[in-house]
Amino acid sequence: GQQVMQIPQYQHVQEGEDFTTYCNSSTTLSNIQWYKQRPGGHPVFLIQLVKSGEVKKQKRLTFQFGEAKKNSSLHITATQTTDVGTYFCAGGYRGSTLGRLYFGRGTQLTVWP
Amino acid sequence: DTGVSQDPRHKITKRGQNVTFRCDPISEHNRLYWYRQTLGQGPEFLTYFQNEAQLEKSRLLSDRFSAERPKGSFSTLEIQRTEQGDSAMYLCASSLGSGPQHFGDGTRLSIL
Repeated sequence: GQQVMQIPQYQHVQEGEDFTTYCNSSTTLSNIQWYKQRPGGHPVFLIQLVKSGEVKKQKRLTFQFGEAKKNSSLHITATQTTDVGTYFCAGGYRGSTLGRLYFGRGTQLTVWP
Repeated sequence: DTGVSQDPRHKITKRGQNVTFRCDPISEHNRLYWYRQTLGQGPEFLTYFQNEAQLEKSRLLSDRFSAERPKGSFSTLEIQRTEQGDSAMYLCASSLGSGPQHFGDGTRLSIL
């Protein structure tokens, strides 16, 4: 079925360490989006990946879309306390209603100073 | 760009009562989505509009839930005969086409 799995659920790192969260779908995705939700806030769009094998960078954040378009990852280099929050991947499927996203459960990142 | 606004921010009601939430999307966005989010979970899709047409409704949504977007601008989500399990954060998002979704701050519903 159309479901996006995300691991890990929690990640605790010391400031300066790297962080990675992974998303996986059993069926091919048409696109994947990444969102960040700060504690008490709402999800904020980070990036959208559409092409097989696509890699995009935003400063310390690197986003990848797998060759088979079934998995994706977000990697943060040298975390900072401002990176704290929950990171969600959200996948869209071909054949599903255009624009409908299936959100993963999220990875909650805690950064110790 | 004033962002997506939702009203009210918080709603506390007794079980069995009806509640209605409002969402005002970003003005030029033609798509509007409703999600429900509980603690420790990602947003769960409820329903979606393109302009005034409701294109999809989640199978998880019971008949007690109804949504409208009468003029293709603001939208309302009504829950009838609320139950304990309806307690959650209700999020609205809008987008231009299949572009990035912009979320509002949500309405937190608490059922007594």
